[in-house]
Amino acid sequence: DQQVKQNSPSLSVQEGRISILNCDYTNSMFDYFLWYKKYPAEGPTFLISISSIKDKNEDGRFTVFLNKSAKHLSLHIVPSQPGDSAVYFCAASRVTQKLVFGQGTRLTINP
Amino acid sequence: NAGVTQTPKFQVLKTGQSMTLQCAQDMNHEYMSWYRQDPGMGLRLIHYSVGAGITDQGEVPNGYNVSRSTTEDFPLRLLSAAPSQTSVYFCASRARGSTEAFFGQGTRLTVV
Repeated sequence: DQQVKQNSPSLSVQEGRISILNCDYTNSMFDYFLWYKKYPAEGPTFLISISSIKDKNEDGRFTVFLNKSAKHLSLHIVPSQPGDSAVYFCAASRVTQKLVFGQGTRLTINP
Repeated sequence: NAGVTQTPKFQVLKTGQSMTLQCAQDMNHEYMSWYRQDPGMGLRLIHYSVGAGITDQGEVPNGYNVSRSTTEDFPLRLLSAAPSQTSVYFCASRARGSTEAFFGQGTRLTVV
């Protein structure tokens, strides 16, 4: 049973516009949510996280929104840049337990 | 500071062969995990460990063994390789009390 789902395998956005990546989860016991970015031939790298007690967390161009009632989170990138082209993984966890990942969304930023 | 180091980076095995994927971290992290990445499947957890001497199964453990004799090392053993184990394997570590995991560069394994 897929506890964390990213239903869009790919997303294409024009440079300078907003990129919105979505993620849904089923386990209401998750208390931390994270986004990872992955370039080809490299390991995933941590991007931004949010605790379940918050509904928004910002870090520069990246903002993560959490809607607990809908069990949904999203990552907003504004403005999108060519270097943002990568695969983005959503992940969820309880602090003491294993990290569960979604399937990933390939983001392509077009000039 | 090397972080998480995986060896080898690439490997080709014949069906039935065994091998060990190495993972070492120098951050004194208690938690270590192995994931496999397959197209359309994301990162799936194979095995994980919350400390030396303690391991547990993840989502897709069949065909793999692990052990954790030291805090630094967490090798993944393929007992009898099968074509279905062709994948990219990632090792990750994180500190107790943290949810931020650090990943190695990955091992691309092909079983023919």
